[in-house]
Amino acid sequence: RKEVEQDPGPFNVPEGATVAFNCTYSNSASQSFFWYRQDCRKEPKLLMSVYSSGNEDGRFTAQLNRASQYISLLIRDSKLSDSATYLCVVSPTNYSGGGADGLTFGKGTHLIIQP
Amino acid sequence: DAMVIQNPRYQVTQFGKPVTLSCSQTLNHNVMYWYQQKSSQAPKLLFHYYDKDFNNEADTPDNFQSRRPNTSFCFLDIRSPGLGDAAMYLCATSSPTSGRGDTQYFGPGTRLTVL
Repeated sequence: RKEVEQDPGPFNVPEGATVAFNCTYSNSASQSFFWYRQDCRKEPKLLMSVYSSGNEDGRFTAQLNRASQYISLLIRDSKLSDSATYLCVVSPTNYSGGGADGLTFGKGTHLIIQP
Repeated sequence: DAMVIQNPRYQVTQFGKPVTLSCSQTLNHNVMYWYQQKSSQAPKLLFHYYDKDFNNEADTPDNFQSRRPNTSFCFLDIRSPGLGDAAMYLCATSSPTSGRGDTQYFGPGTRLTVL
């Protein structure tokens, strides 16, 4: 079983639509959770951290369900510039730090926003 | 403003010819990581340095070595590159004692081609 699983897509979505991605993780000891965005041939960039209470950043909303071990990302009013690969990421290091574990990445979900 | 710098951005080497990739950081972070990302795959952690302490992932091949001569620099050495080592190599840093120890800052990556 893969540690972090995501639907690879591609998701083809018209501009202005709402799109949602989920991912599941297998390591119940995971402490911190993230969505990263990666553009073609570029490095991953942190989009947002994901907290148990759910969190929102503009058009982006992330949710974490620890009991079911899944993480979601919702993008509202999608823009052409949202086209990218979205990587679900987990870490055994908690948000307050103290450790230095590497990140475990999913393979990513490819999103294409169409005009 | 560059925080994590990787040189070169593109590297071509021959099968079996040793190659060194370079990473430097201006963030004064304790931890430096090397990830390998093959086409359409998730970034995979190879190893990391916490200060001078080297931490190798169990499944990282012996062909991959690393050096960290000081806080700012970290090198990835591939002793005998094979065709299967062609990938994007990503360097990242973090500061576990900063209160946001989970956040990793990625460099732009070095894309390695093996002929």
